[in-house]
Amino acid sequence: SAVISQKPSRDICQRGTSLTIQCQVDSQVTMMFWYRQQPGQSLTLIATANQGSEATYESGFVIDKFPISRPNLTFSTLTVSNMSPEDSSIYLCSVPGTARTDTQYFGPGTRLTVL
Amino acid sequence: QKEVEQNSGPLSVPEGAIASLNCTYSDRGSQSFFWYRQYSGKSPELIMFIYSNGDKEDGRFTAQLNKASQYVSLLIRDSQPSDSATYLCAVSGGYNKLIFGAGTRLAVHP
Repeated sequence: SAVISQKPSRDICQRGTSLTIQCQVDSQVTMMFWYRQQPGQSLTLIATANQGSEATYESGFVIDKFPISRPNLTFSTLTVSNMSPEDSSIYLCSVPGTARTDTQYFGPGTRLTVL
Repeated sequence: QKEVEQNSGPLSVPEGAIASLNCTYSDRGSQSFFWYRQYSGKSPELIMFIYSNGDKEDGRFTAQLNKASQYVSLLIRDSQPSDSATYLCAVSGGYNKLIFGAGTRLAVHP
């Protein structure tokens, strides 16, 4: 499976500010996924990011709140905009497996706390 | 709304016992099923996937799938304290997307 890194690993932010999370993969992938895991909860898909096209957002998530960039096949960013304490979560990126593209492998995550 | 249901636990088993984790899903058209293990403070790690009815074994882990009952399970034989984690069931949701259950917390005590 691919090696995935995320930056930052954690951050504490003030409400009303924005944070951009980076996801870097050591191989080229067509699709990248962004998830949110709220405290004590499971993973919820925010959006699917394809290189060269607009991200596809899941119900309940909008581009103005979570803008995503996908400038190339190894990198993506997720921005959490105008943050509130309810945005305190772990944000994870994932990529499909190479042998089976319906599998997904996760980065280490970004733990965000909004005060 | 496609759903994946798991008992949140905690499921407590003694060391050396078999841990049985269960999952049901709502979309009868789902084709792929996954089990992830998540240690506290870490990201999910894929441990098993299964596509066909029946059992699939990998070391101490066995995944079981029954599409007619829309049921998938994970058995962990000879449970070890290092198996203590949250186990997430995930089901394919189309377009390579995964739908996750809430997870079952497993505690293996010596």
